[in-house]
Parts: sequence; C-alpha cells; structure tokens
Amino acid sequence: EPEVTQTPSHQVTQMGQEVILRCVPISNHLYFYWYRQILGQKVEFLVSFYNNEISEKSEIFDDQFSVERPDGSNFTLKIRSTKLEDSAMYFCASSAQGPANYGYTFGSGTRLTVV
Amino acid sequence: GNSVTQMEGPVTLSEEAFLTINCTYTATGYPSLFWYVQYPGEGLQLLLKATKADDKGSNKGFEATYRKETTSFHLEKGSVQVSDSAVYFCALSVYAGKSTFGDGTTLTVKP
Repeated sequence: EPEVTQTPSHQVTQMGQEVILRCVPISNHLYFYWYRQILGQKVEFLVSFYNNEISEKSEIFDDQFSVERPDGSNFTLKIRSTKLEDSAMYFCASSAQGPANYGYTFGSGTRLTVV
Repeated sequence: GNSVTQMEGPVTLSEEAFLTINCTYTATGYPSLFWYVQYPGEGLQLLLKATKADDKGSNKGFEATYRKETTSFHLEKGSVQVSDSAVYFCALSVYAGKSTFGDGTTLTVKP
C-alpha cells in the first residue's frame, strides 16, 4: 500500500536554529498538508499546498514557517528560527482529490524537540 | 466556523465489550466525516469515512453512521480487542483545504 514517508523520525535542535522536515507524499496525490500534534493532544492544521502554492494556512503558520515542493516528489516544512513551543510531532499528509472525498494519508511523523 | 466535539476520555473497557465513542459536529456546507486512529508512537490512519447523510462507514469491525439530523457520527464496535487500544479522532472536511479534528479519545482495552 502506498505510504507517505517522513524524515527524520526525531530531530533535536537548539532554540533559534533552522530545521527542515521532509516528506515524500504518495506519488499521484495532488494535495499536501502539514499538521502538528503537541504531547499527543489535538491535531492542529498548519498549511495546505496545491498546484505549487499554499492554498490555506493557519495562524500558527507565521513568517517563521515556509513550505516547498522543490522537485516534484519532496514536500518540506522549514522553521527558520525555532522556539521552545515548536516542540511537537509534525505530520505530513497527502490526498488524491482533497480530504472531503478520500481523507488523508498521514506519514508517521517527525518528533521535533527544541532545547 | 467548523468544530468537532468528541466524548471525553480516557475510556477503559474489558475485552469483548461494546464500544461507543460519541462525536458531534458543527459545519457550514456539507461536510464529509471521518474517524482516524492513532496507535502508540505512530501517525494517524484513516479508519472509516462517510461523505453524505445516512452513509455508514465501516472498517475492521468499527462502524459509524452520518446523522445529519443530530449532527453526529458516533463510532461503534461490537466487541473490542486489546489491539484496539489507541487514540481515536473524529474529523470533518468540507473542501480541499484543512480538516477539523476533535480532541481525540484514548481507548484502553484490558484482557
């Protein structure tokens, strides 16, 4: 069964450093998303991406965050200057025709720890 | 705005017991409804879905019926197993953008 692959599985970084979280969505999917989950609690939307541009972003997704699909297969989330409160599980998700029809396929997540 | 309210957990059951996890929603438009499951240390997996009123989603013995009149999508299973221990999330989506998730309900099944 096709999978969404995320790397690394765990990243520890110092406050103020830049991090890049990487995702390889399912190859024929068109819609891409980042969500985060703090301490196993609520799943929070960050950003959606379609047709090589951001289609929607949340209040969490401020100027410190950016996304890219640099080569047609990878989908990255960059945090420019990490804060302690960015510590969370970050999940990438993709969908063939939008989640209203098919739901998401999620990756297994990257645990980001900011120290 | 859209919102999803789930029954508070944690829920602890004995093996072979009947499970219900309540979920209600508010939404503009005509949402699709989903249940996702998260096993310890893993990502979320789509468990089942329903895209219109009166649809029943089912998978792995779990069922949920889209009830527009009560704006609900309760998850049920007739006989739970220890392997069903996980966190269950109810979610809705109305278009190709973000989905709205409930807070999650932790289920523990004891042998």
